[in-house]
Amino acid sequence: QKEVEQDPGPLSVPEGAIVSLNCTYSNSAFQYFMWYRQYSRKGPELLMYTYSSGNKEDGRFTAQVDKSSKYISLFIRDSQPSDSATYLCAILSGGSNYKLTFGKGTLLTVNP
Amino acid sequence: EPEVTQTPSHQVTQMGQEVILRCVPISNHLYFYWYRQILGQKVEFLVSFYNNEISEKSEIFDDQFSVERPDGSNFTLKIRSTKLEDSAMYFCASRNTANYGYTFGSGTRLTVV
Repeated sequence: QKEVEQDPGPLSVPEGAIVSLNCTYSNSAFQYFMWYRQYSRKGPELLMYTYSSGNKEDGRFTAQVDKSSKYISLFIRDSQPSDSATYLCAILSGGSNYKLTFGKGTLLTVNP
Repeated sequence: EPEVTQTPSHQVTQMGQEVILRCVPISNHLYFYWYRQILGQKVEFLVSFYNNEISEKSEIFDDQFSVERPDGSNFTLKIRSTKLEDSAMYFCASRNTANYGYTFGSGTRLTVV
């Protein structure tokens, strides 16, 4: 079973739409749940991360984790054309190394 | 805002040649990483480095790969004898002990021909 699964999309929405991006994971040992944004030919940029089940909000972005179903989501409100990018979920495993395991990424296009 | 700097941005090399990819992590970070992303595939962990030694490596990181922190600022990834399948984006990342979120560099696109 793959460790982190993410629907690769692509996803195309009109400006102002609410976007929902989702991942599932298989390993209960995973501890921190992260969302990265990656623009073309750039490295991943951390958007936000959370540890516990529930919601965490940062501006227009809300990260949601449901540990019981091993499901994580990122919601983008009032989406903007500048939000067009690939969104990567990533799970951080514990121990001293804090290795990241990534999903494949969802390509999002927000149309003006 | 502090950045992780990677050079070169693009490198083309012939199969069998050695390449060195260079990174300057953020200055007060203590943990260093290399990840790679083959076109169309996931970002994959290669190796983590802490206190001047490898702390964990993946199955991908075989004897052809090595890492080094030759001075107080640079962190390098060497591939001794490149193969076609080594063609990928290679990302360096660093983090400090207080923050679980990594900072990634912009990557080096390695093309092996």
